[in-house]
Amino acid sequence: EVQLVQSGAEVKKPGESLRISCKGSGYSFPNFWIGWVRQMPGKGLEWMGIIFPGDSDTRYSPSFQGQVTISADKSISTAYLQWSSLKASDTAMYYCARQIAYGSTYYLDYWGQGTLVTASS
Amino acid sequence: EIVMTQSPATLSASPGERATLSCRASQSVRSNLAWYQQKPGQAPRLLIFSASTRASGIPARFSGSGSGTEFTLTISSLQSEDFAVYYCQQYNNWPLYTFGQGTKLEIK
Repeated sequence: EVQLVQSGAEVKKPGESLRISCKGSGYSFPNFWIGWVRQMPGKGLEWMGIIFPGDSDTRYSPSFQGQVTISADKSISTAYLQWSSLKASDTAMYYCARQIAYGSTYYLDYWGQGTLVTASS
Repeated sequence: EIVMTQSPATLSASPGERATLSCRASQSVRSNLAWYQQKPGQAPRLLIFSASTRASGIPARFSGSGSGTEFTLTISSLQSEDFAVYYCQQYNNWPLYTFGQGTKLEIK
Protein backbone atom coordinates (compact mmCIF):
# COMPACT_ATOMS: atom_id res chain seq x y z
CA GLU A 1 0.00 0.00 0.00
CA VAL A 2 1.38 3.39 -1.01
CA GLN A 3 1.65 5.78 1.93
CA LEU A 4 3.11 9.21 2.54
CA VAL A 5 3.45 9.95 6.23
CA GLN A 6 4.31 13.47 7.27
CA SER A 7 5.90 14.71 10.47
CA GLY A 8 3.80 16.21 13.21
CA ALA A 9 2.52 19.71 13.83
CA GLU A 10 5.06 22.39 14.65
CA VAL A 11 4.80 25.62 16.61
CA LYS A 12 7.71 27.97 16.11
CA LYS A 13 8.55 31.63 16.55
CA PRO A 14 9.14 33.91 13.59
CA GLY A 15 12.81 33.88 12.68
CA GLU A 16 13.33 30.26 13.72
CA SER A 17 14.32 27.52 11.33
CA LEU A 18 12.24 24.44 10.61
CA ARG A 19 12.34 21.25 8.58
CA ILE A 20 9.31 19.03 8.05
CA SER A 21 9.36 15.60 6.49
CA CYS A 22 7.39 13.24 4.28
CA LYS A 23 8.23 9.54 4.36
CA GLY A 24 7.12 7.33 1.51
CA SER A 25 6.48 3.60 1.65
CA GLY A 26 4.90 0.89 -0.46
CA TYR A 27 6.55 1.97 -3.71
CA SER A 28 9.95 2.77 -5.21
CA PHE A 29 10.52 6.15 -3.57
CA PRO A 30 13.52 7.24 -5.71
CA ASN A 31 11.55 6.89 -8.95
CA PHE A 32 8.60 9.21 -8.32
CA TRP A 33 8.58 12.99 -8.00
CA ILE A 34 7.33 14.36 -4.68
CA GLY A 35 5.63 17.74 -4.61
CA TRP A 36 4.76 20.16 -1.81
CA VAL A 37 1.52 22.13 -1.54
CA ARG A 38 0.66 24.94 0.87
CA GLN A 39 -2.80 25.63 2.22
CA MET A 40 -3.12 28.74 4.33
CA PRO A 41 -5.93 28.82 6.90
CA GLY A 42 -9.29 28.82 5.15
CA LYS A 43 -7.69 29.17 1.73
CA GLY A 44 -7.00 27.12 -1.38
CA LEU A 45 -4.11 24.99 -2.57
CA GLU A 46 -0.82 26.56 -3.70
CA TRP A 47 1.92 24.69 -5.55
CA MET A 48 5.34 25.15 -3.98
CA GLY A 49 7.71 22.87 -5.83
CA ILE A 50 8.77 19.33 -6.58
CA ILE A 51 11.75 17.01 -6.23
CA PHE A 52 12.85 13.79 -7.90
CA PRO A 53 14.44 11.81 -5.05
CA GLY A 54 16.47 9.64 -7.41
CA ASP A 55 18.79 12.50 -8.37
CA SER A 56 17.45 15.39 -6.23
CA ASP A 57 16.39 17.37 -9.32
CA THR A 58 14.29 20.14 -7.75
CA ARG A 59 11.96 22.69 -9.30
CA TYR A 60 10.29 25.59 -7.49
CA SER A 61 7.26 27.72 -8.12
CA PRO A 62 8.48 31.29 -8.62
CA SER A 63 6.37 32.32 -5.62
CA PHE A 64 8.39 30.06 -3.33
CA GLN A 65 11.85 30.17 -4.92
CA GLY A 66 14.28 31.42 -2.30
CA GLN A 67 11.68 31.17 0.46
CA VAL A 68 11.94 27.44 1.15
CA THR A 69 14.26 24.55 0.37
CA ILE A 70 13.06 21.18 -0.84
CA SER A 71 15.33 18.18 -0.43
CA ALA A 72 15.19 14.41 -0.21
CA ASP A 73 17.16 11.48 1.17
CA LYS A 74 16.39 8.48 -1.00
CA SER A 75 18.21 6.13 1.37
CA ILE A 76 15.45 6.65 3.94
CA SER A 77 12.62 7.38 1.47
CA THR A 78 12.03 10.84 2.89
CA ALA A 79 11.47 14.26 1.38
CA TYR A 80 11.85 17.50 3.28
CA LEU A 81 10.60 21.05 3.23
CA GLN A 82 12.61 23.57 5.20
CA TRP A 83 12.71 27.21 6.17
CA SER A 84 15.80 29.05 7.40
CA SER A 85 13.80 31.86 8.97
CA LEU A 86 10.07 31.45 9.42
CA LYS A 87 7.62 34.29 9.01
CA ALA A 88 4.19 34.56 10.56
CA SER A 89 2.82 34.34 7.03
CA ASP A 90 4.26 30.81 6.73
CA THR A 91 1.51 29.61 9.07
CA ALA A 92 -0.32 26.99 7.03
CA MET A 93 -0.95 23.33 6.41
CA TYR A 94 1.67 21.76 4.18
CA TYR A 95 1.03 18.65 2.13
CA CYS A 96 3.40 16.39 0.25
CA ALA A 97 2.10 14.39 -2.68
CA ARG A 98 3.45 11.79 -5.08
CA GLN A 99 3.42 12.68 -8.74
CA ILE A 100 2.61 10.24 -11.50
CA ALA A 101 4.16 11.18 -14.84
CA TYR A 102 3.78 9.57 -18.24
CA GLY A 103 3.90 11.32 -21.57
CA SER A 104 2.51 14.80 -20.98
CA THR A 105 0.25 13.61 -18.18
CA TYR A 106 1.09 14.44 -14.60
CA TYR A 107 -1.06 14.20 -11.50
CA LEU A 108 -0.78 13.84 -7.75
CA ASP A 109 -2.16 10.46 -6.83
CA TYR A 110 -1.20 9.97 -3.18
CA TRP A 111 -1.05 12.68 -0.54
CA GLY A 112 0.39 12.90 2.93
CA GLN A 113 -1.90 13.73 5.82
CA GLY A 114 -0.50 17.25 6.10
CA THR A 115 1.74 19.05 8.59
CA LEU A 116 0.39 22.14 10.32
CA VAL A 117 3.05 24.79 10.81
CA THR A 118 2.30 27.69 13.12
CA ALA A 119 4.74 30.59 13.31
CA SER A 120 3.72 32.95 16.09
CA SER A 121 5.46 35.09 18.65
CA GLU B 1 1.65 31.91 -15.18
CA ILE B 2 -1.53 30.10 -16.17
CA VAL B 3 -4.44 31.28 -14.02
CA MET B 4 -7.24 28.84 -13.25
CA THR B 5 -10.63 30.30 -12.39
CA GLN B 6 -13.38 28.16 -10.90
CA SER B 7 -17.07 28.93 -10.76
CA PRO B 8 -19.20 29.21 -8.84
CA ALA B 9 -17.30 29.85 -5.62
CA THR B 10 -20.09 28.09 -3.72
CA LEU B 11 -22.72 25.73 -5.10
CA SER B 12 -25.74 24.74 -3.02
CA ALA B 13 -27.44 21.52 -4.02
CA SER B 14 -29.50 18.70 -2.56
CA PRO B 15 -28.67 15.00 -2.39
CA GLY B 16 -29.75 13.26 -5.55
CA GLU B 17 -29.33 16.38 -7.69
CA ARG B 18 -26.82 16.85 -10.46
CA ALA B 19 -23.95 19.26 -9.82
CA THR B 20 -21.87 21.00 -12.47
CA LEU B 21 -18.63 22.75 -11.53
CA SER B 22 -16.63 24.84 -13.98
CA CYS B 23 -12.96 25.63 -14.41
CA ARG B 24 -11.47 28.05 -16.90
CA ALA B 25 -7.81 28.44 -17.84
CA SER B 26 -6.27 31.76 -18.85
CA GLN B 27 -4.68 30.02 -21.83
CA SER B 28 -5.01 26.61 -23.39
CA VAL B 29 -3.90 23.69 -21.24
CA ARG B 30 -5.05 21.13 -23.82
CA SER B 31 -6.42 18.22 -21.75
CA ASN B 32 -3.79 18.56 -19.06
CA LEU B 33 -6.19 19.09 -16.19
CA ALA B 34 -6.97 17.28 -12.96
CA TRP B 35 -9.73 17.59 -10.37
CA TYR B 36 -9.31 17.03 -6.64
CA GLN B 37 -11.81 16.76 -3.80
CA GLN B 38 -11.01 18.01 -0.31
CA LYS B 39 -13.13 17.38 2.76
CA PRO B 40 -12.66 19.34 6.01
CA GLY B 41 -9.58 18.21 7.90
CA GLN B 42 -8.44 15.90 5.11
CA ALA B 43 -5.85 15.96 2.38
CA PRO B 44 -7.02 16.45 -1.20
CA ARG B 45 -8.00 13.34 -3.15
CA LEU B 46 -7.48 12.88 -6.87
CA LEU B 47 -10.74 12.43 -8.79
CA ILE B 48 -9.99 13.04 -12.46
CA PHE B 49 -6.87 13.44 -14.62
CA SER B 50 -6.40 14.13 -18.31
CA ALA B 51 -9.61 16.17 -18.05
CA SER B 52 -11.89 13.12 -18.22
CA THR B 53 -10.18 9.99 -16.84
CA ARG B 54 -11.44 8.88 -13.44
CA ALA B 55 -8.76 7.94 -10.95
CA SER B 56 -8.75 4.48 -9.44
CA GLY B 57 -11.66 3.86 -7.08
CA ILE B 58 -13.60 6.99 -8.03
CA PRO B 59 -17.33 6.35 -8.50
CA ALA B 60 -18.82 6.61 -11.97
CA ARG B 61 -21.11 9.47 -10.86
CA PHE B 62 -18.04 11.73 -11.19
CA SER B 63 -17.21 12.76 -14.74
CA GLY B 64 -14.95 15.34 -16.29
CA SER B 65 -15.06 17.01 -19.67
CA GLY B 66 -13.51 19.81 -21.66
CA SER B 67 -10.25 20.78 -23.29
CA GLY B 68 -8.34 23.91 -24.09
CA THR B 69 -9.60 26.54 -21.66
CA GLU B 70 -13.01 25.30 -20.51
CA PHE B 71 -13.54 22.32 -18.23
CA THR B 72 -16.41 20.83 -16.29
CA LEU B 73 -16.71 18.40 -13.39
CA THR B 74 -20.15 16.81 -13.17
CA ILE B 75 -21.50 14.78 -10.28
CA SER B 76 -24.55 13.02 -11.68
CA SER B 77 -26.45 12.30 -8.45
CA LEU B 78 -25.09 13.87 -5.30
CA GLN B 79 -24.44 11.66 -2.31
CA SER B 80 -23.97 13.02 1.21
CA GLU B 81 -20.25 12.26 1.06
CA ASP B 82 -19.78 14.45 -2.04
CA PHE B 83 -20.23 17.74 -0.19
CA ALA B 84 -16.72 19.12 -0.11
CA VAL B 85 -14.41 21.59 -1.83
CA TYR B 86 -13.31 20.81 -5.38
CA TYR B 87 -10.14 22.10 -7.04
CA CYS B 88 -9.04 21.99 -10.63
CA GLN B 89 -5.33 21.95 -11.44
CA GLN B 90 -3.49 22.40 -14.72
CA TYR B 91 -0.25 20.55 -15.43
CA ASN B 92 0.27 21.70 -19.01
CA ASN B 93 2.95 24.05 -17.78
CA TRP B 94 4.84 21.46 -15.69
CA PRO B 95 6.54 21.91 -13.29
CA LEU B 96 4.51 25.06 -12.71
CA TYR B 97 1.25 23.49 -11.62
CA THR B 98 -1.51 25.93 -10.78
CA PHE B 99 -4.72 25.27 -8.90
CA GLY B 100 -8.05 26.98 -9.15
CA GLN B 101 -9.34 28.74 -6.06
CA GLY B 102 -11.86 25.99 -5.37
CA THR B 103 -15.62 25.48 -5.46
CA LYS B 104 -17.37 24.65 -2.22
CA LEU B 105 -20.24 22.24 -2.78
CA GLU B 106 -22.64 22.59 0.12
CA ILE B 107 -25.92 21.00 1.08
CA LYS B 108 -28.96 23.11 0.25
